[in-house]
Amino acid sequence: DGGITQSPKYLFRKEGQNVTLSCEQNLNHDAMYWYRQDPGQGLRLIYYSQIVNDFQKGDIAEGYSVSREKKESFPLTVTSAQKNPTAFYLCASRSSGRADSTDTQYFGPGTRLTVL
Amino acid sequence: GNSVTQMEGPVTLSEEAFLTINCTYTATGYPSLFWYVQYPGEGLQLLLKATKADDKGSNKGFEATYRKETTSFHLEKGSVQVSDSAVYFCALSGVTGFQKLVFGTGTRLLVSP
Repeated sequence: DGGITQSPKYLFRKEGQNVTLSCEQNLNHDAMYWYRQDPGQGLRLIYYSQIVNDFQKGDIAEGYSVSREKKESFPLTVTSAQKNPTAFYLCASRSSGRADSTDTQYFGPGTRLTVL
Repeated sequence: GNSVTQMEGPVTLSEEAFLTINCTYTATGYPSLFWYVQYPGEGLQLLLKATKADDKGSNKGFEATYRKETTSFHLEKGSVQVSDSAVYFCALSGVTGFQKLVFGTGTRLLVSP
């Protein structure tokens, strides 16, 4: 089955620790995205990547880091610098990053991070 | 900058009632418009989209028409089911450069039998 997997589904972290969220896709998509979802605030873009070995900051990148060493993988690290990391994190991918493409942006099932 | 405004929820309806969820947008040029649905504990799924003015997107009985004059993309369904209970997100994307979706805050729909 083709799709996007995120692991783990639930993650607990102590304050001051870094944590890495996994995102893998087997759709052969070039573009990948990370969003953060908070109650009543919709989704906000953290980082995105158009192709392997390239990524750009989104609207709320502070306290986060990413890498794109392989086409199918786009892990997100939540660092201790992120002031309020408790949220639901969603990874997405799209065949092409071009805005004028008709491709759909597909979402993974999400990881719920709780800082204790 | 680009933004999307959705009606606040929750929207509570009985089965077979008519549904409208309002969505208006502010954007430069002519964006593409989307409705996504999120079921409890899951990621988002594309429900429908429209890429130019007067286009109507439709899927699973849901419809939305891209109205440039009122900058709106309201979601409608003639007869809702309990299984439609979910959170619905309106979103837009510019049509040049790299696709970045801008989302509304979401509207929760609760349908009772």
